[in-house]
Amino acid sequence: GQNIDQPTEMTATEGAIVQINCTYQTSGFNGLFWYQQHAGEAPTFLSYNVLDGLEEKGRFSSFLSRSKGYSYLLLKELQMKDSASYLCAVRDHPGTALIFGKGTTLSVSS
Amino acid sequence: GAVVSQHPSWVICKSGTSVKIECRSLDFQATTMFWYRQFPKQSLMLMATSNEGSKATYEQGVEKDKFLINHASLTLSTLTVTSAHPEDSSFYICSARDRDSYYGYTFGSGTRLTVV
Repeated sequence: GQNIDQPTEMTATEGAIVQINCTYQTSGFNGLFWYQQHAGEAPTFLSYNVLDGLEEKGRFSSFLSRSKGYSYLLLKELQMKDSASYLCAVRDHPGTALIFGKGTTLSVSS
Repeated sequence: GAVVSQHPSWVICKSGTSVKIECRSLDFQATTMFWYRQFPKQSLMLMATSNEGSKATYEQGVEKDKFLINHASLTLSTLTVTSAHPEDSSFYICSARDRDSYYGYTFGSGTRLTVV
């Protein structure tokens, strides 16, 4: 079956760095996505990895290891507005729907 | 960039009535639309996949006679929740496959359905 695991909750302080891990076991692999979602809103795209390595995009970076079925999202210089749910999603075959993990709720405090 | 317009944003309906949710792709043709449901503090669960001009494919456990999906054109897909009950109260989100987008997916803004 398809399985995507990520921690349920994380806390951090403003200005800190936080790493949200995601492990996946899917029938195939055609890309891994990270989304940010604020309560009651639709997910917002953050990053996409299909090859091994690190993708950097401003304060956010995402890493992928296909052999380990592992990814992480790194958030630097945390701000209060980064408090949200972060969703890891995998596309197992081209053109198919994304399979989402349960999401990690990040709380940033001052 | 590509936009998917989803309406209504929120709706409250009485138990036993039907509700229609629309997703329109603006500036691009959505040959495939994915419909998700999200219960409080849970992740997005795929309900069905619809391709323009053909019948939708439903995920296991999703009642196709209760959640009617129509994808009659390349720019419009609708989800109708028939005979809604309180347990159908949820956040419904559509996602269109955009072949011109590097990332491939564009999400609607979501519909909060409350059945009373």
